[in-house]
Amino acid sequence: TQLLEQSPQFLSIQEGENLTVYCNSSSVFSSLQWYRQEPGEGPVLLVTVVTGGEVKKLKRLTFQFGDARKDSSLHITAAQPGDTGLYLCAGRASGTYKYIFGTGTRLKVLA
Amino acid sequence: EAQVTQNPRYLITVTGKKLTVTCSQNMNHEYMSWYRQDPGLGLRQIYYSMNVEVTDKGDVPEGYKVSRKEKRNFPLILESPSPNQTSLYFCASSLGLATDTQYFGPGTRLTVL
Repeated sequence: TQLLEQSPQFLSIQEGENLTVYCNSSSVFSSLQWYRQEPGEGPVLLVTVVTGGEVKKLKRLTFQFGDARKDSSLHITAAQPGDTGLYLCAGRASGTYKYIFGTGTRLKVLA
Repeated sequence: EAQVTQNPRYLITVTGKKLTVTCSQNMNHEYMSWYRQDPGLGLRQIYYSMNVEVTDKGDVPEGYKVSRKEKRNFPLILESPSPNQTSLYFCASSLGLATDTQYFGPGTRLTVL
């Protein structure tokens, strides 16, 4: 069974701090997505990375796909209370049509 | 408005009583999928469908059935629900594997007593 391990599981920080969330696997992925989920709602896509080494920026969020396409990171600069939520990584393993999700990182940003 | 809808949003039932959770999308998406979300385990894929009449198992298909007779609908069927199927269920759809962007429904919270 392919796994995507996310770390940390929980993160509580003060407004203005920086943070990084990691998503690691021993499997190679065709693509990797990052989602954010609010309580009572379905996940909403933030970004998709496809190419090894790819870096994408979305305002204060920076996403990176590992060179070997086995891992990814999400970096938030100057976190704000509005960034609070559950962050999920997900990947489609090469050669399959299945999606694997990480267990999630629950982020709380305190004002 | 482009969306994925699920019904019901909440359901409490008893062991063994067959139930169906409906999922519908209005975006003409080819790929549809069902997930369950449990604390500490994240989202796990139950079944997926790449197009009409084409379905396949995800990681946790035991105890579930699906069908894809029309492109827009992808119902999840629990023939004989058990308490270990108590969970939060999400339906998702995407245009196709070229994008990998999945749009999720609002979720169905199922409790099996």
